Amino acid sequence: KQEVTQIPAALSVPEGENLVLNCSFTDSAIYNLQWFRQDPGKGLTSLLLIQSSQREQTSGRLNASLDKSSGRSTLYIAASQPGDSATYLCAVIRRGNNRKLIWGLGTSLAVNP
Amino acid sequence: ETGVTQSPTHLIKTRGQQVTLRCSSQSGHNTVSWYQQALGQGPQFIFQYYREEENGRGNFPPRFSGLQFPNYSSELNVNALELDDSALYLCASSLAQVTEAFFGQGTRLTVV
Repeated sequence: KQEVTQIPAALSVPEGENLVLNCSFTDSAIYNLQWFRQDPGKGLTSLLLIQSSQREQTSGRLNASLDKSSGRSTLYIAASQPGDSATYLCAVIRRGNNRKLIWGLGTSLAVNP
Repeated sequence: ETGVTQSPTHLIKTRGQQVTLRCSSQSGHNTVSWYQQALGQGPQFIFQYYREEENGRGNFPPRFSGLQFPNYSSELNVNALELDDSALYLCASSLAQVTEAFFGQGTRLTVV
């Protein structure tokens, strides 16, 4: 059974810091891994998708890496800003017939001015 | 914005009632998935539709049902509402079953 864990559960940093969010999954047989952002009470915004054959993806100040063999992904946020405050969730689609997203519980990030 | 729209955005229902939630998928996307997200939890998979056929279901009772239409929009129906059905319901569309998923803003359902 695929399980996804995110560490830390919550993080509070001063503006301008570089930070790393961690995501681990138990079954390396995945199609892809996707990072999302969720603002309170809102829907999910896709940040980055990493295919199982890829090692990393970059978008602006965000960089996500994937190490499938160790079951880990990291989301790196450079030069954090107060507007980055949100919950960040990772999700994987595992190989097989039931191609659903399997989610971690998220990391709640607060960037303080 | 993703192009995935959900309606309504908020809804209050009484226990025992029925509800229909709607989702318009992003143009060109043939796959729609529905998720339930309770407060403080990650989303839980309800089911997925691919080209109008159900293509996978999570651990939800049969009173959760759905449809996908020829234009790939979708409905989620919940019968005999229970208090625990109160949650944010999220719809995601994708070009195929394993490509990037784009979410709508969600429907906040409150059952009283």
